[in-house]
Formats: sequence, C-alpha cells, structure tokens
Amino acid sequence: GESVGLHLPTLSVQEGDNSIINCAYSNSASDYFIWYKQESGKGPQFIIDIRSNMDKRQGQRVTVLLNKTVKHLSLQIAATQPGDSAVYFCAEISVYNFNKFYFGSGTKLNVKP
Amino acid sequence: EAQVTQNPRYLITVTGKKLTVTCSQNMNHEYMSWYRQDPGLGLRQIYYSMNVEVTDKGDVPEGYKVSRKEKRNFPLILESPSPNQTSLYFCASRNRGQPQHFGDGTRLSIL
Repeated sequence: GESVGLHLPTLSVQEGDNSIINCAYSNSASDYFIWYKQESGKGPQFIIDIRSNMDKRQGQRVTVLLNKTVKHLSLQIAATQPGDSAVYFCAEISVYNFNKFYFGSGTKLNVKP
Repeated sequence: EAQVTQNPRYLITVTGKKLTVTCSQNMNHEYMSWYRQDPGLGLRQIYYSMNVEVTDKGDVPEGYKVSRKEKRNFPLILESPSPNQTSLYFCASRNRGQPQHFGDGTRLSIL
C-alpha cells in the first residue's frame, strides 16, 4: 500500500527563524496532499493543502512545496512562533480512492524562545 | 461552532466488554472516518463512510464495526475489545474534495 514518511522526527528551531518540515511519499498516483498540525491533547488541525497540478501554495506564514519528480512535500513556516510547537503530519490521497487518506508518522517541532 | 464531537474522551475497560465510541458532526459533511493513532505509526484508517448507510473498510478494520444511520453520527463499535486495541482514536468528517475536520480524540485503554 501507499506509504507516507517524514525525514526528521524532531525539529528544534529558534523563535523567529523559519522552519522546514519534509515529507516523502511513495505513490505517484497521489493527487492531493495535506499538512496537519497536532497539539498535545487535540486532534489534527488542517494547515494547508495542495493538489498535484500545483508545485507551490502559500497561506498565512506557511508555504507548501510539492516536487512530484522526487515525490517530496515540504512545509515552510515563516517567523516560527512558540505557538507553532506541535507535531506536523503530511497526508496523501490517491486519485484512485479519494476516501482513503494516508498519513506520515509526524515531525515534532520545538520552538525555543 | 463547526465541530466534530467524540465521546467519551477517555475510557478504561476490560477485555471482552462491548463498547461504543460516538462521533457527531454539525457541518452536514458527507464523509466520515475513524482512525487510530499509535506511537511511530501515524494515523491509520479503520473505517470510513461516504454517506448514510454507505461504509467501507480502511486499512485496519479488524475488531471494529461502524454504522451510519444518520448523516451526522458515525459510531465506532468494539464488540469484544482486546488489549491490542488500546490506542488513541480520532473521528473525522469532510465534504468531497475538502480536507478533514478531526475530533479531539478518545483514549481507550483495554486491560
């Protein structure tokens, strides 16, 4: 089956710096990708998404980049704040089944004041 | 407020005692799913539902049942819970082509 993984399980950054969280996916048929943020004791919260016909999408302080050639997804957070400390997941959805989401195991982001 | 509500949030029970975790959403979403989250494994889909009376297995359906009699509710049923079902469970809902909204989770401990 599909697999979604992350390169770095833990990332520590200084407050104010930019953060980059990476994700590798294995299914070239994946059509839709999502980044979620999960704070302790809460469910995953949608951050930003991107479809396979795009290679970049920007939100407020966040940017997602998609490189389909190497099947790589990244989340960039600008001017990281203490409130950004959480676990971040990427998820992929196959064009063959929009009902099945495959999640990576997550990267923990620690923001040092 | 748009939300997905799970109950209970925490439950400790014993092997073999049937339990149900309820999930309700107030966003009129068509699609609902159940996931379990275990350390190092990420979220794994148990079951999903595309609409009322339409459900299908996810990646780890063994030992679980679901029903979708109403659009807003999607309960997860463990007929005979076992210790390997100790986990953190999340319910989620969405509309077609949209990202999922998650509940805040139910932590189950089965002794």
